[in-house]
Amino acid sequence: QVLLVQSGAEVKRPGASVTVSCKASGNTLRDYYMHWLRQAPGQGLEWMGWINPKSGGTIYSQKFEGRVTVTRDTSIRTVYMELSGLKPDDTAVYYCARGAMIRGVTWFDPWGQGTLVTVSS
Amino acid sequence: EIVMTQSPATLSVSPGERATLSCRASQSVGSNLAWYQQKPGQAPRLLILGASTRATGIPVRFSGSGSGTAFTLTINSLQSEDFAVYYCQQYDSWPPGTFGPGTKVDIK
Repeated sequence: QVLLVQSGAEVKRPGASVTVSCKASGNTLRDYYMHWLRQAPGQGLEWMGWINPKSGGTIYSQKFEGRVTVTRDTSIRTVYMELSGLKPDDTAVYYCARGAMIRGVTWFDPWGQGTLVTVSS
Repeated sequence: EIVMTQSPATLSVSPGERATLSCRASQSVGSNLAWYQQKPGQAPRLLILGASTRATGIPVRFSGSGSGTAFTLTINSLQSEDFAVYYCQQYDSWPPGTFGPGTKVDIK
């Protein structure tokens, strides 16, 4: 069973950056697209970006282009999401999720447990 | 860009009864539709993929149907652990994470 374990909650000031990590079991990072999504308090789910398992290339939602960076370190089976220029409305739970092996647009399973990022002055 | 809608926003159901949730896409997504369950404080959990295929470990009381633009998630004989928010998601076309706004199933 694949497990995704994320880093702990963060509190940041407006304008700062945050990095959330997601450690995967097995060969997940080498075989599957890995995605980042977020959910603001009481709101729905919003896709942010993905990293390609073979090339390591990334694709981001236009909404976050220029502010989000997804990277990975396959040696420690960890994928990272950095969001810069934080604003109060970036306050949300951030999730990593596994996608498919050969296609970026797919369902998500499983999900990490989520990381709450709070942006407040 | 495809827009997903769900109805009703809230569904009040008694334990043991059946719940029927609807999801519509603004254009055809074929059978490329997934359903997720989310409980308070938890990550979403995949229930259904391919519109009607239960994910691993999902109880048989959960079933999905539909294709094209209209989809249904049916939960038979609701258990206490089924009270949650349910989201549909299309994965037929860009962008990857196109979710509906969710249906909250609560206790009547």
